Amino acid sequence: GENVEQHPSTLSVQEGDSAVIKCTYSDSASNYFPWYKQELGKRPQLIIDIRSNVGEKKDQRIAVTLNKTAKHFSLHITETQPEDSAVYFCAASWDTGRRALTFGSGTRLQVQP
Amino acid sequence: GAVVSQHPSWVICKSGTSVKIECRSLDFQATTMFWYRQFPKQSLMLMATSNEGSKATYEQGVEKDKFLINHASLTLSTLTVTSAHPEDSSFYICSAPSQGRVNYGYTFGSGTRLTVV
Repeated sequence: GENVEQHPSTLSVQEGDSAVIKCTYSDSASNYFPWYKQELGKRPQLIIDIRSNVGEKKDQRIAVTLNKTAKHFSLHITETQPEDSAVYFCAASWDTGRRALTFGSGTRLQVQP
Repeated sequence: GAVVSQHPSWVICKSGTSVKIECRSLDFQATTMFWYRQFPKQSLMLMATSNEGSKATYEQGVEKDKFLINHASLTLSTLTVTSAHPEDSSFYICSAPSQGRVNYGYTFGSGTRLTVV
């Protein structure tokens, strides 16, 4: 089955700096790569996703890049704000909808004001 | 858009009792529901996949007789934790393909915090 590795496990940045979280996946059949933000006791909230036919996607301060050859994808958050502080999970899936997501281990991001 | 309603949001039960968690798709038909468990400071781990009208598929290491899943209709899937023990205390969350359509992403329930005392 799919295995998703995520690092770093914790990341502390100053407000306004950029944050980068990286994930690797094992199953070359995976074609859907979402990123989720999760606050304590809440459901994961989709912040951005990318499909394997695209190498990069951006939404305001958030961007995701995908390298299919190397089987890794990254989340980039620019101009970080204290409200970006949360746990972020990457995930991977194929045959979206019929297959469950496999999640990375999570990154606790802390943005220092 | 696609909404999955999950209840209860939290429950405290005594050791040895059973607890049922419900997930309802409110505005779409969920032929498939994924059930995850999340221990504190850990990731979401898939427990089982339920499909409407058929038996659930359990991940390795998940006891199917302990975690009973029923998906009797296109809008309701339930997870019953039987003979709960303190080690079953966790955050349980369901997820369905958004809008019941493939290639459309996933919708999550709000989660259930189970505490077994």
